[in-house]
Amino acid sequence: DVKVTQSSRYLVKRTGEKVFLECVQDMDHENMFWYRQDPGLGLRLIYFSYDVKMKEKGDIPEGYSVSREKKERFSLILESASTNQTSMYLCASSPRQVSDTQYFGPGTRLTVL
Amino acid sequence: QQPVQSPQAVILREGEDAVINCSSSKALYSVHWYRQKHGEAPVFLMILLKGGEQKGHEKISASFNEKKQQSSLYLTASQLSYSGTYFCGTPRADYKLSFGAGTTVTVRA
Repeated sequence: DVKVTQSSRYLVKRTGEKVFLECVQDMDHENMFWYRQDPGLGLRLIYFSYDVKMKEKGDIPEGYSVSREKKERFSLILESASTNQTSMYLCASSPRQVSDTQYFGPGTRLTVL
Repeated sequence: QQPVQSPQAVILREGEDAVINCSSSKALYSVHWYRQKHGEAPVFLMILLKGGEQKGHEKISASFNEKKQQSSLYLTASQLSYSGTYFCGTPRADYKLSFGAGTTVTVRA
């Protein structure tokens, strides 16, 4: 059974803190994604990785960075958290083709105070 | 370009039917449908391919209208378990998926 896990379901941080969100998939998928989900806006792509150490900016990369040192793990980093980064963050993975079916993690609800 | 979903929300009683539409401003060759229950991860329901047959998942089916650049999701004889937010995803020029804003479905007993 395919599985994508995220390190935390809920996280509360203060403005200016550095925040790490981790995602692990056990399906040996090449592609991994980070999205943020906001009411009325749907899922917006932050960053994408198609291989170890390879990454591409998505539609809203400002204020975020990513790391993929191992195939199964994709980390999202908020260098200096701000209140407008309060959101639900979803990680996903897909096999070889980027337009393949995506498998999502349960999400991390981040609140920045 | 993000696909446009309608309606934004729908409330049903058990056993009623509903239709959710997903429209694109450009030509489509596939549409993905996902459902996200409250507090859970989005789950893949089905993919519709250009020229392909209508798909189904439980009593949820979908169609693809190439001419209208639209896909429709049909919830037939709805059950309480159908409650959630339904998203469509369409391929972009860079082959990644662009998701609609979602349609929240509430099924009441």
